[in-house]
Amino acid sequence: QKEVEQNSGPLSVPEGAIASLNCTYSDRGSQSFFWYRQYSGKSPELIMSIYSNGDKEDGRFTAQLNKASQYVSLLIRDSQPSDSATYLCAALGDSNYQLIWGAGTKLIIKP
Amino acid sequence: GAVVSQHPSWVICKSGTSVKIECRSLDFQATTMFWYRQFPKQSLMLMATSNEGSKATYEQGVEKDKFLINHASLTLSTLTVTSAHPEDSSFYICSARSGTNNSPLHFGNGTRLTVT
Repeated sequence: QKEVEQNSGPLSVPEGAIASLNCTYSDRGSQSFFWYRQYSGKSPELIMSIYSNGDKEDGRFTAQLNKASQYVSLLIRDSQPSDSATYLCAALGDSNYQLIWGAGTKLIIKP
Repeated sequence: GAVVSQHPSWVICKSGTSVKIECRSLDFQATTMFWYRQFPKQSLMLMATSNEGSKATYEQGVEKDKFLINHASLTLSTLTVTSAHPEDSSFYICSARSGTNNSPLHFGNGTRLTVT
């Protein structure tokens, strides 16, 4: 069965530090990967998409993809209390274009 | 761009009644929309894939006669929870892609359903 694995946390990071969120996936055929942020009681919102090996930066966020290791990560620089949320990793299945979701990592930024 | 609007944002209904949730793509056409359900402190669970002009595809364990999906136009999909029971109380979220099949999903704001 195709899976996406994330540490459920909570991951506690001091304000201003770098938060590092990790995700592994089992479907070697997956080519597209997404990070979503979900605040409690709200729907997910897209943070980053990444399709190629390497790093992709957008403001304070950097997504990293290593297809050989089947590993995706999200770095948040200069973490703010408003970054406290659950971060969901998703991989797009190669055969049916359905997203395979991780269970999410709860991130807590401590002032 | 890529705005998905969902209505209502919350609804309380009595057991045995039916509730309809609307999902609209406001600035793009969506041949496919996805309906998710999320229980407290749990991950997103895909319920069904809604296809414009054809029958929805339901995930294993989701009753198609209980969760009626209609996708009559390229911008509107509806989910009707029929004969709702307290165990159907959950957070229902629709989503759609604005681009190609490998583009990200954009989510509506969700509907909090409480069945009393």
